[in-house]
Amino acid sequence: DAMVIQNPRYQVTQFGKPVTLSCSQTLNHNVMYWYQQKSSQAPKLLFHYYDKDFNNEADTPDNFQSRRPNTSFCFLDIRSPGLGDAAMYLCATSKVEGSGEKLFFGSGTQLSVL
Amino acid sequence: SQQGEEDPQALSIQEGENATMNCSYKTSINNLQWYRQNSGRGLVHLILIRSNEREKHSGRLRVTLDTSKKSSSLLITASRAADTASYFCATDGENFVFGPGTRLSVLP
Repeated sequence: DAMVIQNPRYQVTQFGKPVTLSCSQTLNHNVMYWYQQKSSQAPKLLFHYYDKDFNNEADTPDNFQSRRPNTSFCFLDIRSPGLGDAAMYLCATSKVEGSGEKLFFGSGTQLSVL
Repeated sequence: SQQGEEDPQALSIQEGENATMNCSYKTSINNLQWYRQNSGRGLVHLILIRSNEREKHSGRLRVTLDTSKKSSSLLITASRAADTASYFCATDGENFVFGPGTRLSVLP
């Protein structure tokens, strides 16, 4: 089945140690999103790619970077994780940008920072 | 700032009862979507309602939209224990903006 896959399901890193989360999709969607979700809060959009065009949210810290080497894969790099970066990170896709498009989510990666 | 705000924050009901969740938003929209999230998992799209629609049904789900009040409601009829989850509304715009969600507990 076509889907959005996130690996790993759980990730533990140390304070200040770079970490990369990955997302792949078999839907052949043009848009890929990264959301951060802290406990009992709404998912917060960090950035998204429309094809190769990168769109960063204004309040996304510089500590967060992303790469999309091809249509299927997208990575979230956290350069120097702090304790406040512990959260669920959700990858999502949509066919195109714009109103009326629904999002398809992966199962998320739960990041712990020790 | 968040566009959608769900109400109540938490709701606990017995199996078989109906559950109603509300969403209010601030600016004009083209459509509004509802998503469900099981604990520790990703979100799953439930239903989309466009600004020119007032009501939409999908199985046991009924969504209403009142653009004059900038509000929407999600009704789950004949709830089941498996409906226990968080429910989020999301409004459109350049990017999707999610409200804080309603945590629904359906007790067997």
